[in-house]
Amino acid sequence: SQTIHQWPATLVQPVGSPLSLECTVEGTSNPNLYWYRQAAGRGLQLLFYSVGIGQISSEVPQNLSASRPQDRQFILSSKKLLLSDSGFYLCAARDSWPGELFFGEGSRLTVL
Amino acid sequence: GDSVTQMEGPVTLSEEAFLTINCTYTATGYPSLFWYVQYPGEGLQLLLKATKADDKGSNKGFEATYRKETTSFHLEKGSVQVSDSAVYFCALTVGGGSNYKLTFGKGTLLTVNP
Repeated sequence: SQTIHQWPATLVQPVGSPLSLECTVEGTSNPNLYWYRQAAGRGLQLLFYSVGIGQISSEVPQNLSASRPQDRQFILSSKKLLLSDSGFYLCAARDSWPGELFFGEGSRLTVL
Repeated sequence: GDSVTQMEGPVTLSEEAFLTINCTYTATGYPSLFWYVQYPGEGLQLLLKATKADDKGSNKGFEATYRKETTSFHLEKGSVQVSDSAVYFCALTVGGGSNYKLTFGKGTLLTVNP
Protein backbone atom coordinates (compact mmCIF):
# COMPACT_ATOMS: atom_id res chain seq x y z
CA SER A 1 0.00 0.00 0.00
CA GLN A 2 0.96 3.61 -0.30
CA THR A 3 2.63 5.77 2.32
CA ILE A 4 2.15 9.52 2.25
CA HIS A 5 4.67 11.82 3.93
CA GLN A 6 3.85 15.43 4.69
CA TRP A 7 5.98 18.17 6.18
CA PRO A 8 6.16 20.26 8.10
CA ALA A 9 3.66 18.81 10.53
CA THR A 10 3.05 22.16 12.19
CA LEU A 11 3.67 25.66 10.94
CA VAL A 12 2.99 29.11 12.38
CA GLN A 13 3.39 31.94 9.88
CA PRO A 14 2.67 35.67 9.86
CA VAL A 15 0.18 37.18 7.45
CA GLY A 16 1.83 38.05 4.16
CA SER A 17 4.60 35.46 4.41
CA PRO A 18 5.11 32.69 1.84
CA LEU A 19 4.15 29.06 2.29
CA SER A 20 5.44 25.75 1.07
CA LEU A 21 3.97 22.43 2.18
CA GLU A 22 5.45 19.29 0.73
CA CYS A 23 4.01 15.85 0.15
CA THR A 24 5.79 12.76 -1.10
CA VAL A 25 4.37 9.35 -1.86
CA GLU A 26 5.94 5.90 -1.54
CA GLY A 27 4.73 2.55 -2.75
CA THR A 28 3.17 3.51 -6.04
CA SER A 29 3.94 5.17 -9.34
CA ASN A 30 1.98 7.73 -11.34
CA PRO A 31 -0.60 8.28 -8.62
CA ASN A 32 -3.36 10.85 -8.68
CA LEU A 33 -2.52 13.33 -5.92
CA TYR A 34 -4.76 15.66 -3.95
CA TRP A 35 -4.58 18.54 -1.51
CA TYR A 36 -7.48 18.97 0.91
CA ARG A 37 -8.02 21.61 3.55
CA GLN A 38 -9.89 20.96 6.75
CA ALA A 39 -10.93 24.09 8.57
CA ALA A 40 -12.48 24.16 12.01
CA GLY A 41 -15.73 22.24 11.85
CA ARG A 42 -14.24 19.09 10.30
CA GLY A 43 -15.41 19.40 6.68
CA LEU A 44 -12.95 18.55 3.90
CA GLN A 45 -12.46 20.91 0.99
CA LEU A 46 -10.68 19.68 -2.13
CA LEU A 47 -8.20 22.34 -3.20
CA PHE A 48 -6.14 20.78 -6.00
CA TYR A 49 -5.64 17.47 -7.72
CA SER A 50 -3.05 16.23 -10.16
CA VAL A 51 -3.11 13.32 -12.59
CA GLY A 52 0.54 13.65 -13.61
CA ILE A 53 3.73 15.70 -13.55
CA GLY A 54 2.98 19.35 -14.23
CA GLN A 55 -0.78 18.73 -14.43
CA ILE A 56 -2.74 20.62 -11.79
CA SER A 57 -6.48 21.16 -11.50
CA SER A 58 -7.82 23.74 -9.10
CA GLU A 59 -11.16 23.22 -7.46
CA VAL A 60 -11.66 26.61 -5.87
CA PRO A 61 -10.21 30.05 -6.57
CA GLN A 62 -7.95 31.05 -3.72
CA ASN A 63 -4.66 32.37 -2.50
CA LEU A 64 -2.92 29.04 -2.91
CA SER A 65 -1.22 27.19 -5.76
CA ALA A 66 0.04 23.67 -6.28
CA SER A 67 2.83 22.11 -8.26
CA ARG A 68 3.94 18.61 -9.11
CA PRO A 69 7.60 18.70 -10.12
CA GLN A 70 8.08 14.93 -9.83
CA ASP A 71 5.82 11.91 -10.13
CA ARG A 72 5.53 11.38 -6.39
CA GLN A 73 5.96 14.92 -5.11
CA PHE A 74 3.16 17.43 -4.61
CA ILE A 75 3.71 20.92 -3.24
CA LEU A 76 1.22 23.46 -1.92
CA SER A 77 2.36 27.07 -1.99
CA SER A 78 1.36 30.62 -1.37
CA LYS A 79 3.20 33.86 -2.07
CA LYS A 80 1.36 35.79 0.66
CA LEU A 81 -0.61 34.06 3.37
CA LEU A 82 -3.96 35.32 4.61
CA LEU A 83 -5.54 34.70 7.99
CA SER A 84 -8.17 32.60 6.25
CA ASP A 85 -5.47 30.19 5.03
CA SER A 86 -5.20 28.74 8.53
CA GLY A 87 -6.25 25.13 8.69
CA PHE A 88 -5.24 21.50 8.52
CA TYR A 89 -3.90 20.52 5.11
CA LEU A 90 -4.06 16.94 3.98
CA CYS A 91 -2.30 15.35 1.04
CA ALA A 92 -3.78 12.20 -0.47
CA ALA A 93 -2.97 9.69 -3.18
CA ARG A 94 -5.35 7.50 -5.08
CA ASP A 95 -5.09 3.75 -5.03
CA SER A 96 -6.19 1.54 -7.90
CA TRP A 97 -9.84 0.52 -8.19
CA PRO A 98 -12.09 1.02 -6.30
CA GLY A 99 -10.13 4.16 -5.92
CA GLU A 100 -9.87 4.79 -2.22
CA LEU A 101 -7.61 7.58 -1.09
CA PHE A 102 -4.63 7.21 1.21
CA PHE A 103 -3.94 10.26 3.35
CA GLY A 104 -0.86 11.73 4.94
CA GLU A 105 -0.76 12.80 8.57
CA GLY A 106 -1.51 16.40 7.72
CA SER A 107 0.14 19.79 8.16
CA ARG A 108 -1.41 22.23 10.59
CA LEU A 109 -0.98 25.84 9.48
CA THR A 110 -1.71 28.78 11.75
CA VAL A 111 -1.52 32.23 10.20
CA LEU A 112 -1.21 35.07 12.73
CA GLY B 1 -23.84 16.14 -8.92
CA ASP B 2 -22.72 13.54 -6.41
CA SER B 3 -23.28 14.20 -2.73
CA VAL B 4 -23.08 12.53 0.67
CA THR B 5 -25.25 13.38 3.65
CA GLN B 6 -24.36 12.08 7.09
CA MET B 7 -25.59 12.90 10.56
CA GLU B 8 -23.36 15.67 11.82
CA GLY B 9 -23.55 14.92 15.49
CA PRO B 10 -21.78 15.25 17.79
CA VAL B 11 -22.61 11.77 18.99
CA THR B 12 -21.80 10.96 22.61
CA LEU B 13 -22.05 7.39 23.88
CA SER B 14 -21.02 5.37 26.87
CA GLU B 15 -18.54 2.56 26.47
CA GLU B 16 -20.11 -0.68 25.17
CA ALA B 17 -23.09 1.15 23.67
CA PHE B 18 -24.35 0.44 20.15
CA LEU B 19 -23.33 2.91 17.46
CA THR B 20 -25.10 3.91 14.28
CA ILE B 21 -23.98 6.79 12.08
CA ASN B 22 -26.32 7.36 9.16
CA CYS B 23 -25.06 8.07 5.66
CA THR B 24 -27.10 8.54 2.49
CA TYR B 25 -25.89 9.48 -0.95
CA THR B 26 -26.87 10.68 -4.39
CA ALA B 27 -24.75 9.67 -7.34
CA THR B 28 -24.87 10.06 -11.10
CA GLY B 29 -23.58 6.53 -11.65
CA TYR B 30 -22.82 3.39 -9.68
CA PRO B 31 -20.66 4.49 -6.74
CA SER B 32 -18.15 2.79 -4.53
CA LEU B 33 -18.70 3.71 -0.89
CA PHE B 34 -16.24 4.30 1.94
CA TRP B 35 -16.02 5.13 5.61
CA TYR B 36 -12.94 7.00 6.83
CA VAL B 37 -11.93 7.68 10.42
CA GLN B 38 -9.88 10.62 11.69
CA TYR B 39 -8.38 10.40 15.18
CA PRO B 40 -7.52 13.69 16.90
CA GLY B 41 -4.64 15.51 15.23
CA GLU B 42 -4.18 12.88 12.53
CA GLY B 43 -4.96 12.34 8.87
CA LEU B 44 -7.81 10.19 7.59
CA GLN B 45 -7.63 6.41 7.55
CA LEU B 46 -9.80 4.13 5.48
CA LEU B 47 -12.05 2.19 7.85
CA LEU B 48 -14.05 0.08 5.40
CA LYS B 49 -15.42 0.05 1.88
CA ALA B 50 -18.04 -1.55 -0.38
CA THR B 51 -18.10 -1.56 -4.15
CA LYS B 52 -21.47 -3.02 -5.10
CA ALA B 53 -25.00 -3.36 -3.82
CA ASP B 54 -25.49 -5.59 -0.76
CA ASP B 55 -21.73 -5.72 -0.08
CA LYS B 56 -20.87 -5.45 3.60
CA GLY B 57 -17.64 -3.73 4.53
CA SER B 58 -16.20 -4.52 7.94
CA ASN B 59 -13.14 -3.67 9.99
CA LYS B 60 -12.27 -3.35 13.69
CA GLY B 61 -15.81 -4.33 14.68
CA PHE B 62 -17.40 -1.69 12.44
CA GLU B 63 -19.76 -2.68 9.64
CA ALA B 64 -21.63 -0.96 6.84
CA THR B 65 -23.85 -2.45 4.15
CA TYR B 66 -24.25 -0.94 0.68
CA ARG B 67 -28.02 -0.46 0.24
CA LYS B 68 -28.77 0.61 -3.31
CA GLU B 69 -32.53 0.68 -2.81
CA THR B 70 -32.28 3.20 0.00
CA THR B 71 -29.01 4.81 -1.24
CA SER B 72 -27.51 4.34 2.21
CA PHE B 73 -24.30 3.13 3.82
CA HIS B 74 -24.87 3.39 7.56
CA LEU B 75 -21.95 2.69 9.90
CA GLU B 76 -22.58 0.41 12.89
CA LYS B 77 -20.66 -1.05 15.77
CA GLY B 78 -22.13 -3.29 18.43
CA SER B 79 -19.99 -2.15 21.36
CA VAL B 80 -17.96 1.03 21.17
CA GLN B 81 -14.77 1.71 23.11
CA VAL B 82 -13.21 4.92 24.33
CA SER B 83 -10.55 4.45 21.66
CA ASP B 84 -13.24 4.76 18.97
CA SER B 85 -13.61 8.46 19.74
CA ALA B 86 -12.88 10.18 16.43
CA VAL B 87 -14.48 11.90 13.46
CA TYR B 88 -16.07 9.57 10.91
CA PHE B 89 -16.49 10.48 7.26
CA CYS B 90 -18.70 8.78 4.70
CA ALA B 91 -17.52 9.11 1.10
CA LEU B 92 -18.23 7.93 -2.42
CA THR B 93 -16.67 7.82 -5.83
CA VAL B 94 -18.22 7.06 -9.19
CA GLY B 95 -16.27 5.37 -11.95
CA GLY B 96 -12.58 6.08 -12.35
CA GLY B 97 -10.39 7.59 -14.97
CA SER B 98 -8.09 10.54 -14.70
CA ASN B 99 -10.62 12.94 -13.21
CA TYR B 100 -11.33 10.80 -10.23
CA LYS B 101 -12.58 12.55 -7.12
CA LEU B 102 -13.88 11.38 -3.77
CA THR B 103 -16.97 13.12 -2.42
CA PHE B 104 -17.05 13.37 1.38
CA GLY B 105 -19.79 13.97 3.89
CA LYS B 106 -19.19 16.65 6.52
CA GLY B 107 -18.06 14.22 9.19
CA THR B 108 -19.56 13.01 12.46
CA LEU B 109 -17.75 13.54 15.74
CA LEU B 110 -18.07 10.54 18.05
CA THR B 111 -17.13 10.77 21.70
CA VAL B 112 -17.17 7.62 23.82
CA ASN B 113 -17.10 8.08 27.59
CA PRO B 114 -15.83 5.42 30.00
